[in-house]
Amino acid sequence: DAKTTQPPSMDCAEGRAANLPCNHSTISGNEYVYWYRQIHSQGPQYIIHGLKNNETNEMASLIITEDRKSSTLILPHATLRDTAVYYCIVRDPNTGNQFYFGTGTSLTVIP
Amino acid sequence: NAGVMQNPRHLVRRRGQEARLRCSPMKGHSHVYWYRQLPEEGLKFMVYLQKENIIDESGMPKERFSAEFPKEGPSILRIQQVVRGDSAAYFCASSAAQGPQHFGDGTRLSIL
Repeated sequence: DAKTTQPPSMDCAEGRAANLPCNHSTISGNEYVYWYRQIHSQGPQYIIHGLKNNETNEMASLIITEDRKSSTLILPHATLRDTAVYYCIVRDPNTGNQFYFGTGTSLTVIP
Repeated sequence: NAGVMQNPRHLVRRRGQEARLRCSPMKGHSHVYWYRQLPEEGLKFMVYLQKENIIDESGMPKERFSAEFPKEGPSILRIQQVVRGDSAAYFCASSAAQGPQHFGDGTRLSIL
């Protein structure tokens, strides 16, 4: 599975949109982009995933560039409870058995 | 993380004892994954199981560690003769076929 690159940390003001970037320049055609987050001492929480089209659900939006080499997770109105480590993962669901969790982005939402 | 149930939440063992960690997947999920997380690090894959079969154990140490997912009952991760280095948080995830994995809240294993 392709590796991803994320900034180690970011801050965001409460109520503003949080835009978390991810670089996955070696992604292959069958690999999806998944986003998870982990709040201290809890298990990772699934947020969203996509292949090439932009996706939106009740938690977030996922914007994938046309060449699929990078993506952005958008939390439209960040709250203090969104403070967590966010992981961007690429995986082929047909052949990849595991998720590779890198170091992620530590997002701090500031009041 | 409602749905995937792990127990116990905290487990303390002395060196040389056995540790058994249990995971009940979400309803309807037949795929189970185990990960280990050391302090200040990301999760590391250990093993992937489907009912009664180990599909991929490439991340699991060859000795002392074993996993099973019987036809009936929870998946079990078993660590024999524990050592201090086994202290970590162990997370279980489940999925339906190729769907996203959903995680439990983990078992924190401490070795005295």
